[in-house]
Amino acid sequence: GAGVSQSPSNKVTEKGKDVELRCDPISGHTALYWYRQSLGQGLEFLIYFQGNSAPDKSGLPSDRFSAERTGGSVSTLTIQRTQQEDSAVYLCASTPPGTGRGYTFGSGTRLTVV
Amino acid sequence: TQLLEQSPQFLSIQEGENLTVYCNSSSVFSSLQWYRQEPGEGPVLLVTVVTGGEVKKLKRLTFQFGDARKDSSLHITAAQPGDTGLYLCAGGPGNTPLVFGKGTRLSVIA
Repeated sequence: GAGVSQSPSNKVTEKGKDVELRCDPISGHTALYWYRQSLGQGLEFLIYFQGNSAPDKSGLPSDRFSAERTGGSVSTLTIQRTQQEDSAVYLCASTPPGTGRGYTFGSGTRLTVV
Repeated sequence: TQLLEQSPQFLSIQEGENLTVYCNSSSVFSSLQWYRQEPGEGPVLLVTVVTGGEVKKLKRLTFQFGDARKDSSLHITAAQPGDTGLYLCAGGPGNTPLVFGKGTRLSVIA
């Protein structure tokens, strides 16, 4: 597609439920990133996929968070047993091959845990 | 851990005024990027600076990368209401995920 697509745009879930957030990057972009943005905070890095390499999971805040990227394209971020502190906007970005490239972000998924 | 400090955190100015926002770190970055984010949207890339001392202009916006590649500034001339948004700086060593500052929230009042 023309841009990075994220779905759903909004998600309200009950504490303790699992949620899946989807990211469809720009075709041909080899790198895909997940960030979390909480109110009044900057973007917090979660996980990074680059081509066929093992993902960099160093930013995942707990083992309740996981992500996968199928076929080098679509990615799913899963949060198990959601907690209220998981409420945030989850942003996905992709970049073409090469270092120092600017990120193209999706519009994000606003997750609210009640 | 590389950190980027942005200042001011909030800025409210009248249309036509000039302003400068700052992005500082104790770490050296191979490149630094500036993004603007509007409500309900993801950040949009404005510019990438890679050379110490580099100055880039984008219409009324002027970006500067410090000589030591540890800091950057964004200057807006004759601000307009359309410049309202959250300005984020981000840096990285090159092949790892960008580190983002917390941003400067700018409001330009007509």
